Amino acid sequence: DAKTTQPPSMDCAEGRAANLPCNHSTISGNEYVYWYRQIHSQGPQYIIHGLKNNETNEMASLIITEDRKSSTLILPHATLRDTAVYYCIVRVATDSWGKLQFGAGTQVVVTP
Amino acid sequence: GAVVSQHPSRVICKSGTSVKIECRSLDFQATTMFWYRQFPKQSLMLMATSNEGSKATYEQGVEKDKFLINHASLTLSTLTVTSAHPEDSSFYICSAPDQSSYNEQFFGPGTRLTVL
Repeated sequence: DAKTTQPPSMDCAEGRAANLPCNHSTISGNEYVYWYRQIHSQGPQYIIHGLKNNETNEMASLIITEDRKSSTLILPHATLRDTAVYYCIVRVATDSWGKLQFGAGTQVVVTP
Repeated sequence: GAVVSQHPSRVICKSGTSVKIECRSLDFQATTMFWYRQFPKQSLMLMATSNEGSKATYEQGVEKDKFLINHASLTLSTLTVTSAHPEDSSFYICSAPDQSSYNEQFFGPGTRLTVL
């Protein structure tokens, strides 16, 4: 699986949009971009994933560049409960075993 | 989404004892489950892949005789930390892919192990 690079930390004001970048310059054509988050002392939570088109769900939006070498996770209206470590992971979605390799992630702190 | 549970949520034990952690998929079947370990202020580290009806696959550097994994049914995997020592104190998390959800991974809430 391709490696990813994320900033170690990011602050965001409550109610504002949080834009979390991720670089994955060695991504392969059959690899998807996944985002998970982990609130302190809990198991990770799936947020969203995509291949090359932008994706949106009730939690967030995922913007993938045309060359697929980077992506941005957007939390449209951050709340205090969004404080967590956010992980960007690249893997082959058709891999039925679904093994995930976590990097260091981005610690997001949402402040009042 | 699918639910994965873990038991116990936290355990404290004496050095030299063995501790068993259960991981259950509550509303779906999982032929494969994964076990992770997370030390304070660090990321999750994949330990092993648990396979129903066959031997687990361990990541490099993880002692299979130290961390015994049993996947006896399609909804239960257990991780036994044998002869636990203080350096085994960690947050242990399991996950399982739900094939009905495009193999999206669902994680358990984690088990906090403290070895005295």
